[in-house]
Amino acid sequence: ETGVTQSPTHLIKTRGQQVTLRCSSQSGHNTVSWYQQALGQGPQFIFQYYREEENGRGNFPPRFSGLQFPNYSSELNVNALELDDSALYLCASSLAGTNQPQHFGDGTRLSIL
Amino acid sequence: AQKITQTQPGMFVQEKEAVTLDCTYDTSDPSYGLFWYKQPSSGEMIFLIYQGSYDQQNATEGRYSLNFQKARKSANLVISASQLGDSAMYFCAMRGNAGNNRKLIWGLGTSLAVNP
Repeated sequence: ETGVTQSPTHLIKTRGQQVTLRCSSQSGHNTVSWYQQALGQGPQFIFQYYREEENGRGNFPPRFSGLQFPNYSSELNVNALELDDSALYLCASSLAGTNQPQHFGDGTRLSIL
Repeated sequence: AQKITQTQPGMFVQEKEAVTLDCTYDTSDPSYGLFWYKQPSSGEMIFLIYQGSYDQQNATEGRYSLNFQKARKSANLVISASQLGDSAMYFCAMRGNAGNNRKLIWGLGTSLAVNP
C-alpha cells in the first residue's frame, strides 16, 4: 500500500510569486485535505476535495486554490505569495466519512523571502 | 462553532511510566469523531487513535488508549509504558458530520518529552 506523498519537500519563493504543491493520495482514498501549519501551531484547514469537487473550505483567501484529479491526486496553488505564507503544508487523504482517519504526507516546507 | 482545547503546552514523563494528555472539545453536532495524532520533530503527522461520539467503549490501540467522557466533552489520550520514541508533539482533532463541520479542526498540541 503506497502512502501519501508530497512534492517538493522544500521550496523557497519570494513575495508575489506563485507556487504549486502536489500530493498523491494513498491508494483507494477518494478524499484529500490540505492544511497549513505555522511553526509551533496546530494545522489549519485550507480545503478538502472529494471526487474532484471542493466540499469544505477554511478561512483562507481565494488566492489559495486547489484541484483534485481523476486519480485523486491533488494540487494546492497559492498566488501572490506573502511572507505569512511561510509554513509547512500538509496533505492528507482518507476515505469519506466522519470516522475515517486522515493519513498525512511528510509535508512541503515553504519559505517566503 | 467547533473547538478543540489542549491546555498542556508541555509534559514530561519518565520512561516506562504512563502519561495522560488532555483534550476537551466543543461542538453542536450530535455525531462527530475525535482523533489523536503524533508529530515528531521530523514533521510527519502520524495517526494514533480514533473515538466516535456514539462508541460505547473507549478506544484502544496498543499502548494508546482514549479516555472518552462524553458528558464532560473530554477525550484524553493515555500512553502507557512510555518510550523515548514517544517524545513528540501530540495533537487532538475533531471532525463533525454536517456541512463545514466535516473539516478536521485541531488543538494547539502538547509537547511530550520522555526522560530516560
